[in-house]
Amino acid sequence: DGGITQSPKYLFRKEGQNVTLSCEQNLNHDAMYWYRQDPGQGLRLIYYSQIVNDFQKGDIAEGYSVSREKKESFPLTVTSAQKNPTAFYLCASSSRTGSFLYEQYFGPGTRLTVT
Amino acid sequence: QKEVEQDPGPLSVPEGAIVSLNCTYSNSAFQYFMWYRQYSRKGPELLMYTYSSGNKEDGRFTAQVDKSSKYISLFIRDSQPSDSATYLCAFGSSNTGKLIFGQGTTLQVKP
Repeated sequence: DGGITQSPKYLFRKEGQNVTLSCEQNLNHDAMYWYRQDPGQGLRLIYYSQIVNDFQKGDIAEGYSVSREKKESFPLTVTSAQKNPTAFYLCASSSRTGSFLYEQYFGPGTRLTVT
Repeated sequence: QKEVEQDPGPLSVPEGAIVSLNCTYSNSAFQYFMWYRQYSRKGPELLMYTYSSGNKEDGRFTAQVDKSSKYISLFIRDSQPSDSATYLCAFGSSNTGKLIFGQGTTLQVKP
């Protein structure tokens, strides 16, 4: 089945530790995205990548880092510099062809709790 | 003024009711209009999308875009308890490659 997988579903970390969230897709999409969702809020863009080995900061990139070494994979690292890391993290992907760029498909999300 | 405004609700309706969900926006450059449905603790699911003013229908769902008023709506006919979810509007403009999301409206359909 084609889709986007995120692992793990739940993640717990101590303050001061870096943590990496996994995102893999087999939809053959060029573009991939990371969003953060806090309770009662919409999605805020952290980073996005439209092609392998290239990525851009979104609206809230501070304290996060990404890599895009393979088309299928776009891991997100939440660093200790991120002041409020506890949130629901969502990965998405889309085709780069014309308007399809905006038809983003989401994974199931990873709920990160930092104490 | 926020770029996108969406009433967070919650909105509670009886089963079978017609539901109207709305978003307003301020950016005239928006050309792509999307609606996502998100069940609790799940990722959003692309429900409907349109790129022009007017109506687009898919089963019980109708998406409406009024570019002159900068207003989009999602109508759900014959609402079902399984429609209970948070509905997010999203907007894109061709010069950014990014989507801007509304806050989401939580809908509860009571049997």
